Amino acid sequence: DAKTTQPNSMESNEEEPVHLPCNHSTISGTDYIHWYRQLPSQGPEYVIHGLTSNVNNRMASLAIAEDRKSSTLILHRATLRDAAVYYCILRDADSNYQLIWGAGTKLIIKP
Amino acid sequence: NAGVTQTPKFRILKIGQSMTLQCTQDMNHNYMYWYRQDPGMGLKLIYYSVGAGITDKGEVPNGYNVSRSTTEDFPLRLELAAPSQTSVYFCASSADRGRFYSGNTIYFGEGSWLTVV
Repeated sequence: DAKTTQPNSMESNEEEPVHLPCNHSTISGTDYIHWYRQLPSQGPEYVIHGLTSNVNNRMASLAIAEDRKSSTLILHRATLRDAAVYYCILRDADSNYQLIWGAGTKLIIKP
Repeated sequence: NAGVTQTPKFRILKIGQSMTLQCTQDMNHNYMYWYRQDPGMGLKLIYYSVGAGITDKGEVPNGYNVSRSTTEDFPLRLELAAPSQTSVYFCASSADRGRFYSGNTIYFGEGSWLTVV
């Protein structure tokens, strides 16, 4: 299974945009890129996913590099409630259950 | 909006004791999972199920057992608890909408904190 690499932690100021990077140099053609986040003492929650094209939803945007070897989760205007651990995960369309979770990026929001 | 419900939320076990973590979902999802998460780490898959009566091992199945007699319920059994099983356990579920469907969002419960002493 392809794996991802993320920075251990990042800091950002409240109400500023946040760009969370993820490297996945061994991504295969059928791997979807998923992002989940985990708020303190809670289970992970879905944020966004994509395959090749950039994606937007009400929570965030996902920018995918043309060669798909990296992606960036963009929070347009971070709030204190966005402080969480963000996980970038590759999901094989044929392996619904086999997700490889790294340690993620701990996002710290400064007021 | 119940989603995925896990019980108990907190439990302390003595070494050698056994217990069952309960998990139920009300979204009619066919896929269900059990993960464990150690401090500062990502999630590791213990067992999963693709439907009632079908279960399979994940990355770290040793010391655990599961059953899936209904679509809704997926209990995790810990036999002969050991300190290494001190962790946070998450149950999750997702809908399988076919091989080429990219979504299959996974919905997680709130977690069960287990300490073995």
